[in-house]
Amino acid sequence: GESVGLHLPTLSVQEGDNSIINCAYSNSASDYFIWYKQESGKGPQFIIDIRSNMDKRQGQRVTVLLNKTVKHLSLQIAATQPGDSAVYFCAENAGGTSYGKLTFGQGTILTVHP
Amino acid sequence: KAGVTQTPRYLIKTRGQQVTLSCSPISGHRSVSWYQQTPGQGLQFLFEYFSETQRNKGNFPGRFSGRQFSNSRSEMNVSTLELGDSALYLCASSLNGQGASGYTFGSGTRLTVV
Repeated sequence: GESVGLHLPTLSVQEGDNSIINCAYSNSASDYFIWYKQESGKGPQFIIDIRSNMDKRQGQRVTVLLNKTVKHLSLQIAATQPGDSAVYFCAENAGGTSYGKLTFGQGTILTVHP
Repeated sequence: KAGVTQTPRYLIKTRGQQVTLSCSPISGHRSVSWYQQTPGQGLQFLFEYFSETQRNKGNFPGRFSGRQFSNSRSEMNVSTLELGDSALYLCASSLNGQGASGYTFGSGTRLTVV
């Protein structure tokens, strides 16, 4: 049948605001999670990761929160800048024999207005 | 340190032809994974290679194949191209493709099938 394009969630914020991007994952066996940023014409760029034995991890201007009970991941970006405008993906790896396999979420389009 | 290099960046092929894409991982990384990215399906895992062996495979037809050389460089091949194979093909480099070893992506090869 005809394929239907993914309708990506969008988030529009003003420069300087804090942004929160959410992701629901489905595999309860996943034990490693990564957030990527993808700009037009480029490959996904690593932002931050977290292992399942943690529930929070902070980087420079970014924080990832993991709630394994409800299988939810979030990315918080502080003081969002126009250069943060991109598509953001969460990805998970189930460990074990899931060698090299990341399962990606559909992505969220972040637009930052100056 | 050099990142992940994918060649060529752009490719236009005709239906029925075959194509070979190349990926050179980060020096010291031995795992290479391949992904297909389309607007309709998002990012989907194709396969992973480590020490010249395919360890993991996604749900793609046999027309999609790959290999890895002793220097960890990897190639993927798509035979009998179909219009639906038009996509951005990404490879990811990892130390060992296991657990929380981190995955760095290249900029991708944009394949257009006409």
